[in-house]
Amino acid sequence: KQEVTQIPAALSVPEGENLVLNCSFTDSAIYNLQWFRQDPGKGLTSLLLIQSSQREQTSGRLNASLDKSSGRSTLYIAASQPGDSATYLCAANQAGTALIFGKGTTLSVSS
Amino acid sequence: DVKVTQSSRYLVKRTGEKVFLECVQDMDHENMFWYRQDPGLGLRLIYFSYDVKMKEKGDIPEGYSVSREKKERFSLILESASTNQTSMYLCASSFIRYSGANVLTFGAGSRLTVL
Repeated sequence: KQEVTQIPAALSVPEGENLVLNCSFTDSAIYNLQWFRQDPGKGLTSLLLIQSSQREQTSGRLNASLDKSSGRSTLYIAASQPGDSATYLCAANQAGTALIFGKGTTLSVSS
Repeated sequence: DVKVTQSSRYLVKRTGEKVFLECVQDMDHENMFWYRQDPGLGLRLIYFSYDVKMKEKGDIPEGYSVSREKKERFSLILESASTNQTSMYLCASSFIRYSGANVLTFGAGSRLTVL
């Protein structure tokens, strides 16, 4: 059964730092991997989706990469800002199943 | 933009009450999902549906049932609410790209407290 792990569980950085969030999955037979952002008490907002045939996706200051062979994805945030403070979740999609989520990394960016 | 609307943001119910959580999506998506989210446990799948009147159990279906009579609406039902069902409930809908990618959009969530 697919398992998705995110490390670290929490991260605190000063404003302006570049940072990397990690996501690993146990079964490499995925169709896609999706990164979400969740603000406290709110639903999830999709940030980036990487299809299995892709290596990376970029949106503004965010860059997500995917290495299926090693079972890893990373979310790179450039020049972090206090508004980036949130919980970031990754989710893996396999054929015929719903997405399997990691438990998330809670990011705090201080000004 | 796709909208997934959950009818109630906050609910407070008594133990033993029947609870309905409603979710409506406006983009003709085939797939709809119900997750619950708890601190330290992350998101766990309760039920999902690939079509009208179709339903599949997720990882934690016990104590829940679902209904999908129309394509745009997916309801989660707690037949007899218990305190351990206090949680944040998240609904999502999705479409499958030609590539097989399953693209999810979430609602804002419904926080249920069972007393």
